[in-house]
Amino acid sequence: KAGVTQTPRYLIKTRGQQVTLSCSPISGHRSVSWYQQTPGQGLQFLFEYFSETQRNKGNFPGRFSGRQFSNSRSEMNVSTLELGDSALYLCASSIRDNRDTQYFGPGTRLTVL
Amino acid sequence: GQQLNQSPQSMFIQEGEDVSMNCTSSSIFNTWLWYKQDPGEGPVLLIALYKAGELTSNGRLTAQFGITRKDSFLNISASIPSDVGIYFCAGQYYGGSQGNLIFGKGTKLSVKP
Repeated sequence: KAGVTQTPRYLIKTRGQQVTLSCSPISGHRSVSWYQQTPGQGLQFLFEYFSETQRNKGNFPGRFSGRQFSNSRSEMNVSTLELGDSALYLCASSIRDNRDTQYFGPGTRLTVL
Repeated sequence: GQQLNQSPQSMFIQEGEDVSMNCTSSSIFNTWLWYKQDPGEGPVLLIALYKAGELTSNGRLTAQFGITRKDSFLNISASIPSDVGIYFCAGQYYGGSQGNLIFGKGTKLSVKP
C-alpha cells in the first residue's frame, strides 16, 4: 500500500506571495492533518480534515487555510507569505478520525525569501 | 497549551550501547506514540501505546506507557549506526482546539561506529 504523498517536495517563494501544498493520504484513510515543523517551535498542529470538513484547528493565523476533496486528498494554502512561514509542512493521514494512528508524508520544504 | 518535555535533547553514543529517552507531561494522554525522523523526511511511526502501563517492543525498541498516563519512555538496545536520527514522542488525546497530537521537541541521536 502506498504511503502518504506530498507535492511539491521543495518550494521557494517570496514574501507576500501565496502557496498551495498538496497531500494524498494512504488509500482508505479519510482523515488528513497538517503540521508545521520549524527548528524553534518543533512540530505544531495546523488543522485536520475529515469528509471534506475541517474538524480541528490549531493556533495559526487565518492566512493558513486548507480543504479536502471527496477523494480525501487535501490541500493547504498559505496567503501573504512571511519569512517566518519557512518550514517543513507535513501531512498525516489516519483511517477514520483523530483517535486513529497518524502516518506522515515526507513533507514539503517551503522557503520564503 | 499542552506541552511535552522530552529528554535528553541529544545523545552521542557508541555503537552497541543501549539508549533511553523519555517524555513527561502535566496532562493525561489517551495514546503515546514514538516517531523517528531522518533529515528531510517525515516522521515514521515506531511504536504506538494505547493503555496505561503497556509495554511494547518492536525489534530492538521497547516503549512503555506510564501508569499515570503522563509519561512514556523509549529504549533502544544495542544501537547501530542506522539508529541515527531524531526521535519524537507524541501524546494523543481526543478532541480539543489544539488538535489531537502534541509532540515533544525531539531527541537527536548520534551513534559512533
